Amino acid sequence: QVQLQESGPGLVKPSETLSLTCTVSGYSISSGYYWGWIRQPPGKGLEWIGSIYHSGNTYYNPSLNSRFTMSVDTSKNQFSLKLSSVTAADTAVYYCARVVRSSSGWLDPWGRGTLVAVSS
Amino acid sequence: EIVLTQSPGTLSLSPGERATLSCRASQSVSSSYLAWYQQKPGQAPRLLIYGASSRATGIPDRFSGSGSGTDFTLTISRLEPEDFAVYYCQQYSSSPAFGGGTKVEIK
Repeated sequence: QVQLQESGPGLVKPSETLSLTCTVSGYSISSGYYWGWIRQPPGKGLEWIGSIYHSGNTYYNPSLNSRFTMSVDTSKNQFSLKLSSVTAADTAVYYCARVVRSSSGWLDPWGRGTLVAVSS
Repeated sequence: EIVLTQSPGTLSLSPGERATLSCRASQSVSSSYLAWYQQKPGQAPRLLIYGASSRATGIPDRFSGSGSGTDFTLTISRLEPEDFAVYYCQQYSSSPAFGGGTKVEIK
């Protein structure tokens, strides 16, 4: 079955760039679907960040600023997220997930998430 | 931008009772492009319902979704101990967004 696993540093300093990777197993991302990123600040709700196709086509949440950049590496069956100029407000659990039905459908399955704290 | 408002914020019920969760959209959600997720503490959300009323694979039939336009409902017919969790709705009709969540807690 399809499984996703996020990886990245648990702690990032303010103003630096956060980099996360999602490794997909049980399915080749080159076979289709968009692949997405979602975050959840501690004790709060979910926020859709964006999604990416194996071709590199991306969809970003227009409600968020342009600090996010997504990329894909089909040779490693991975996709990645970068967030520049982080602040404490970017502290959250970051999830990756498969997006069903184009670039902005429902999400299934999800990775377990990785907590990223922004602190000096 | 479609904003989703979930109510109530917290629902206190006993095992065996029926739970009715509401998700209201600020504009019509076309083609019933609405999903529901369950999230337990320390876990990732899990897809329950998509297309407003289609159950995801492996989801028990005590979970059902209904609604269209701007008003959607998730119903849990008889609460099992493992159903106490936070539930989120998500629309994918336009720029995708989640509701604020409803916590179903044990009374």
